[in-house]
Amino acid sequence: DTGVSQDPRHKITKRGQNVTFRCDPISEHNRLYWYRQTLGQGPEFLTYFQNEAQLEKSRLLSDRFSAERPKGSFSTLEIQRTEQGDSAMYLCASSLVQPIPYGYTFGSGTRLTVV
Amino acid sequence: AQTVTQSQPEMSVQEAETVTLSCTYDTSENNYYLFWYKQPPSRQMILVIRQEAYKQQNATENRFSVNFQKAAKSFSLKISDSQLGDTAMYFCAFTRFGNEKLTFGTGTRLTIIP
Repeated sequence: DTGVSQDPRHKITKRGQNVTFRCDPISEHNRLYWYRQTLGQGPEFLTYFQNEAQLEKSRLLSDRFSAERPKGSFSTLEIQRTEQGDSAMYLCASSLVQPIPYGYTFGSGTRLTVV
Repeated sequence: AQTVTQSQPEMSVQEAETVTLSCTYDTSENNYYLFWYKQPPSRQMILVIRQEAYKQQNATENRFSVNFQKAAKSFSLKISDSQLGDTAMYFCAFTRFGNEKLTFGTGTRLTIIP
């Protein structure tokens, strides 16, 4: 297992289009998190799953955003009707049920550019 | 709500020197954890060091150590004998006990000069 992988690494899309990102966590990790990082800022929490259940969503996750984790394995984050303000790095992380003190393992992120 | 503040947007030091990155936080919680993460240009966030708030002893990991001042809500990172590979963005992060999400600061861009 080589860690958390995210696909694609980069995505350029036109405003109004839908995009979907994928995250494959470390196989034995049952928690999966999505964060968004804009230029010059630290990552901001979006949502997290424990197995297939979505346990918390940030108010940053508007109705245009949806995340799924079918079967508790990989996760997808979809953004509908993209806006320029959605341009950011989308980071995925995974952890065991008790992430402390082991912490989280982050992926390399998907950079979204909306033109 | 918790907030994390990193007041140094950028820093640079000569290779082999020691550098200290500052972080302050605000919380009403008593049980929490603090982290320093490193994000190199390749972008993957890597855990550098963590501190449990209930522990008085400052955490150390090889060349990395922290100065945790709970009363002052301060959590600085000291990098000794800095190396070129330490060049990265460094983020301070907070999570309260029993919670799962991290609250990050805005980061400090550290450049190690050969």
